[in-house]
Amino acid sequence: EIVLTQSPGTLSLSPGDRATLSCRASQNIRNNFLAWYQQKPGQAPRLLIYGASTRAAGIPARFSGSGSGTDFTLTISGLEPDDFAVYYCQHYGGSPPYSFGQGSNLEI
Amino acid sequence: EVQLVESGGDLVQPGRSLRLSCAASGFAFDNSAMHWVRQAPGKGLEWVSGISWSSGDIIYADSVKGRFTISRDNAKNFLYLQMDSLRPDDTALYYCARRTDGYVFDYWGQGTLVTVTS
Repeated sequence: EIVLTQSPGTLSLSPGDRATLSCRASQNIRNNFLAWYQQKPGQAPRLLIYGASTRAAGIPARFSGSGSGTDFTLTISGLEPDDFAVYYCQHYGGSPPYSFGQGSNLEI
Repeated sequence: EVQLVESGGDLVQPGRSLRLSCAASGFAFDNSAMHWVRQAPGKGLEWVSGISWSSGDIIYADSVKGRFTISRDNAKNFLYLQMDSLRPDDTALYYCARRTDGYVFDYWGQGTLVTVTS
């Protein structure tokens, strides 16, 4: 079973700052099947990044993903007030075939 | 415009059944794999089940295997989740989501709330 561990649990930053969120897998994630989602209170998750580093349609360039193997990072450059939310990583492969990290809360 | 609209959530007693529905529009539903993901109150996301476009490939999380059944009606553009033997730990907001060829979920509904309590 692949377990995704996100850190930090909570990150407190200010608008204009740079946010770095980590997602570590307990086993190698093949083919970079790693995605990032943003979720705001009362809303459904929104796909940000897939394939570890490809931005989904309509996602601003300040969001970037990187990493491979077991260590992945979501970076948000120049935080805007709308970016403060909870972020989840998600993988495909192994058992269970899909799983999510526990989330990182990005707060002002 | 892609729309996924879930319905069927309710407050039920442990051991009872419930059927969730997800109405899809704005994309080629009959060519899309569809999944259910749930979120317990104040908690993170948990993948529940998925079904291929043809219904030929169906998978479940261990936590619901044997109790939940996913299905779809491509003629009506509907996804379903039959939930039997419900337990209090099934209490959650249930989202339907479209899965891409890259094995991620690009469109989500707004969710339907299932509460299991005596």
